[in-house]
Amino acid sequence: AQSVTQLDSQVPVFEEAPVELRCNYSSSVSVYLFWYVQYPNQGLQLLLKYLSGSTLVKGINGFEAEFNKSQTSFHLRKPSVHISDTAEYFCAVSDQLGRGSTLGRLYFGRGTQLTVWP
Amino acid sequence: DTAVSQTPKYLVTQMGNDKSIKCEQNLGHDTMYWYKQDSKKFLKIMFSYNNKELIINETVPNRFSPKSPDKAHLNLHINSLELGDSAVYFCASSRRVAGEVYEQFFGPGTRLTVL
Repeated sequence: AQSVTQLDSQVPVFEEAPVELRCNYSSSVSVYLFWYVQYPNQGLQLLLKYLSGSTLVKGINGFEAEFNKSQTSFHLRKPSVHISDTAEYFCAVSDQLGRGSTLGRLYFGRGTQLTVWP
Repeated sequence: DTAVSQTPKYLVTQMGNDKSIKCEQNLGHDTMYWYKQDSKKFLKIMFSYNNKELIINETVPNRFSPKSPDKAHLNLHINSLELGDSAVYFCASSRRVAGEVYEQFFGPGTRLTVL
């Protein structure tokens, strides 16, 4: 099974500051990687995903993430945050074993609450 | 044009009752899921269905029974509700984007409170 560690449960930052949300995963096989965002009282929305190819992935709302296989990390970054970025962010992995029975099963980290202050 | 919808949004009930949560997706996806998000916001998969067939069944008490009348619907029925069942339940559906990669789309969640 896979596991995902989000090292920071809460990250407070000021508006227009850069931010990095950390994610490390543990897997004996290759994985696909995802970041989801959950705004208050809403469902999860996909921010970005890494499937293959370039290790730097760009997503919606100005976010990007870099896949580092040697460090088994997939950190999320934004160069300048807005108050509207305040939300819970979840890192998730899905394995590449190609078993039909997994059907894209996602393993989630415990989330990082990003709070942007004016 | 809601993609994945759930009803109800909020559900407050007494211990021991039986309740259902409904989920519908209009995306034409073959695969649907139920996730549970606990009070610490940890998300864990409960069930997955593909074309009305149960694929993933995590170690969930058998008081929880998913039902898929067709591939656009996946309902969750819970018998004999317990305090520990209080959580937010998310429905999701997915499409295959490449190989064995599935992109999941989540519903808005149902907040269940058991008193």
